[in-house]
Amino acid sequence: NSKVIQTPRYLVKGQGQKAKMRCIPEKGHPVVFWYQQNKNNEFKFLINFQNQEVLQQIDMTEKRFSAECPSNSPCSLEIQSSEAGDSALYLCASARDWEYEQYFGPGTRLTVL
Amino acid sequence: QQKVQQSPESLSVPEGGMASLNCTSSDRNFQYFWWYRQHSGEGPKALMSIFSDGDKKEGRFTAHLNKASLHVSLHIRDSQPSDSALYFCAASEPNSGTYQRFGTGTKLQVVP
Repeated sequence: NSKVIQTPRYLVKGQGQKAKMRCIPEKGHPVVFWYQQNKNNEFKFLINFQNQEVLQQIDMTEKRFSAECPSNSPCSLEIQSSEAGDSALYLCASARDWEYEQYFGPGTRLTVL
Repeated sequence: QQKVQQSPESLSVPEGGMASLNCTSSDRNFQYFWWYRQHSGEGPKALMSIFSDGDKKEGRFTAHLNKASLHVSLHIRDSQPSDSALYFCAASEPNSGTYQRFGTGTKLQVVP
């Protein structure tokens, strides 16, 4: 079973508020991904890291989203000013390397009122 | 446009039956494929990966890849009610630093 831990499981914010969620990757996995899964179950890649370094991120992430994966601390994803369209399940995944399977956490379900 | 398409959108099979799921990529750079399963309220869990043409079998699950047609399939034999879930195909380029593109998903229901 995956040991990727995500907190909180549920997050409710008002529009314009900051929303922060955390992820502890599986031990020994230097590669971390954040995805957004909407109510239609569609996945959107947000950002990925290798050993704390950002490798890829989409435009949306560059503008209102910030993320980091410091050594010896949980990874985090923060939305600076939440919008209704940000309501979704945010999934963190980690992997041993790029060509290996990704291990997902249970997700943080964000609701923006 | 979605680069990884799955069919059917939903599928119902009887317990003990065979479930067949399909996935097609529109990007010839995608060489690596995975199948994931997601139960309600959980994150996806990887079932298997397939990188070479042909079949790959793991227990009740068999994946088939045809790189020429950019098509990958997943066959579940002896389907169980616990197999009822969302199934996602994911594809990526064979490069470091890239991410997996997830398909549109197939909802499988196994009827007892």
